[in-house]
Amino acid sequence: SQKIEQNSEALNIQEGKTATLTCNYTNYSPAYLQWYRQDPGRGPVFLLLIRENEKEKRKERLKVTFDTTLKQSLFHITASQPADSATYLCALETGTASKLTFGTGTRLQVTL
Amino acid sequence: KAGVTQTPRYLIKTRGQQVTLSCSPISGHRSVSWYQQTPGQGLQFLFEYFSETQRNKGNFPGRFSGRQFSNSRSEMNVSTLELGDSALYLCASSLGTGASGNTIYFGEGSWLTVV
Repeated sequence: SQKIEQNSEALNIQEGKTATLTCNYTNYSPAYLQWYRQDPGRGPVFLLLIRENEKEKRKERLKVTFDTTLKQSLFHITASQPADSATYLCALETGTASKLTFGTGTRLQVTL
Repeated sequence: KAGVTQTPRYLIKTRGQQVTLSCSPISGHRSVSWYQQTPGQGLQFLFEYFSETQRNKGNFPGRFSGRQFSNSRSEMNVSTLELGDSALYLCASSLGTGASGNTIYFGEGSWLTVV
């Protein structure tokens, strides 16, 4: 069966460090992979999209990698700040479907 | 420009009742998708509408239905509510049909509690 796995445990890191979040999937061949941020009680906010033929995408302090052989995406936040504390969701879209399938999310806590 | 607007933000319903949630997409966006979010199941796709036509449907019972109007506004309806329908219902809009590389914008959601 199809599955998307993200670290279910919360990730606690110190301010200024790099946070690395993992998204692993099985039995998918996604055309796109997206990362979202969700704060408590709010809707998800789009962060980055990476296509299947792209290895890496950057936006300010954010970096996403996409390895279709390993079926894995890594999401990095450099120079983490307490304001980065939130739940981060990865989502896959296959070329034949117009829907997104989300992982369960990883809660990131950045402490001073 | 205004974001995706969902109403109501919070509501409480009794088992067996029905509920209608509303979503106004970003101006110019023609695709509207609905998702259900619960602590146990996470975010799950309900359905997507584009130009008043349902383009895709998730694995939810027929009690869950939706529609889209000519101005792209959308409503979803849940009939014969069950306790397990308690969730955050999120609406998302995008320019084109589905994601397909388009940025998707979510609303703040409608919190439904079924008692």
